[in-house]
Amino acid sequence: KQEVTQIPAALSVPEGENLVLNCSFTDSAIYNLQWFRQDPGKGLTSLLLIQSSQREQTSGRLNASLDKSSGRSTLYIAASQPGDSATYLCAVRVEYGGSQGNLIFGKGTKLSVKP
Amino acid sequence: NAGVTQTPKFQVLKTGQSMTLQCAQDMNHEYMSWYRQDPGMGLRLIHYSVGAGITDQGEVPNGYNVSRSTTEDFPLRLLSAAPSQTSVYFCASRRTRTSGNTIYFGEGSWLTVV
Repeated sequence: KQEVTQIPAALSVPEGENLVLNCSFTDSAIYNLQWFRQDPGKGLTSLLLIQSSQREQTSGRLNASLDKSSGRSTLYIAASQPGDSATYLCAVRVEYGGSQGNLIFGKGTKLSVKP
Repeated sequence: NAGVTQTPKFQVLKTGQSMTLQCAQDMNHEYMSWYRQDPGMGLRLIHYSVGAGITDQGEVPNGYNVSRSTTEDFPLRLLSAAPSQTSVYFCASRRTRTSGNTIYFGEGSWLTVV
C-alpha cells in the first residue's frame, strides 16, 4: 500500500530564507507527483507536477525535484515571503493496480514565514 | 467555465440525519473523486468514479454512498451522520482515470455533525 510522508509537519522561518520541504513515498510505481498549496479555510492550488520520467520542475521561486528510485521529492522555496505561509501538500498518483489513477496525499507541512 | 462546483459550502447536521453533498463539473471529465480532510491530515479518498455508472471505494468509504448517473454529477451521500464525519470534503475531477495530468478540485464543503 502506497504511503506518503511529509517532513517536517510544521516549519517556521524568517522572511528571505531559502527552505526545503520533504516528501517521501513507499512505492516507486507512481505516474506523477504533485505539490499543492492550501491556505486556511480554502481549497487546493496546484503548484508543480512532476512526471515519473522527469527529475524536476520549476515555477518562479519554486523548484520541485523527484527521485523516483529512492521514493523522494523535495520542494525548494527561494527567498521566502510572508505570503508563502500556507500548508503544502504532496500527492502521488498511483500508476498500476486497482487504485490506478488515484491520488495519495501526505499530511502536509504547515509553513509560517515571519516578517 | 465553472470547473468543479461543490454545494453546500457549509452545513451543520445533527447525529443521525442524512444529507447529500453535491459535486458537478462542466469539463466532460470521466474521472471524479471525493476526499475528506481532517485536522493535521492530508486528504483521504472516500469514493471515486471512472465514468457514468461506475463507482468504487477509496480508503475511507464507510458511512458514505455515491452514485454516478451522469458524467457531470457525482453526489456524496451521508446516510446517518456521525460526529466522526465532521470534516472538510473535497470533490475533484480529471479527464480520465489514466490520462490527463491536471486534476481540478472544488472549493470544499465544511460539514459539522453535532
